[in-house]
Amino acid sequence: LAKTTQPISMDSYEGQEVNITCSHNNIATNDYITWYQQFPSQGPRFIIQGYKTKVTNEVASLFIPADRKSSTLSLPRVSLSDTAVYYCLVGLYGANNLFFGTGTRLTVIP
Amino acid sequence: GAVVSQHPSWVICKSGTSVKIECRSLDFQATTMFWYRQFPKQSLMLMATSNEGSKATYEQGVEKDKFLINHASLTLSTLTVTSAHPEDSSFYICSALWTDKSYEQYFGPGTRLTVT
Repeated sequence: LAKTTQPISMDSYEGQEVNITCSHNNIATNDYITWYQQFPSQGPRFIIQGYKTKVTNEVASLFIPADRKSSTLSLPRVSLSDTAVYYCLVGLYGANNLFFGTGTRLTVIP
Repeated sequence: GAVVSQHPSWVICKSGTSVKIECRSLDFQATTMFWYRQFPKQSLMLMATSNEGSKATYEQGVEKDKFLINHASLTLSTLTVTSAHPEDSSFYICSALWTDKSYEQYFGPGTRLTVT
């Protein structure tokens, strides 16, 4: 079971870029890396997914080094509304893409 | 696209009664849905995998006779908490796997269950 390790919490000022790193030393060859955002009393929301190198969409970028043992979620110019818990998951459906780690609680400060 | 709904959004029930929670994929078909439980300030914990037309697969430590799951159609899965107790009070979240996007699961908004 690919386990992930993330910082428990992070603080950032509004307007700054935030990078959250996730370690997944036991990632398997066919595993994907997926990041979710969760606000209190809401279901998680898909942010971004990648397999290798770099992926970018309208809300975030995901950087994955060549060994794929870690990944970094980058949120550009965060706002107060980005305060949430961010989860990193690795794996394939049916294998281990369903097990949430502790997540990182991001607090954006005015 | 890819909207998943849950009903009810919150429910209060008395100890010993049963409560049914519905999870629907509104604009796609989902042969597989998942049920999670989340206690305050904790992460999501997978309870079971719900497969359309077959029995659910439960995670270790989850009582299948207490948490009944039925996935009768490609857009609906239900979780019934039987003989509820106060310790079952939690936030229950479902997700649906969009098979056209193999590795993406879409989550419902969650259901807050309080057992008094």
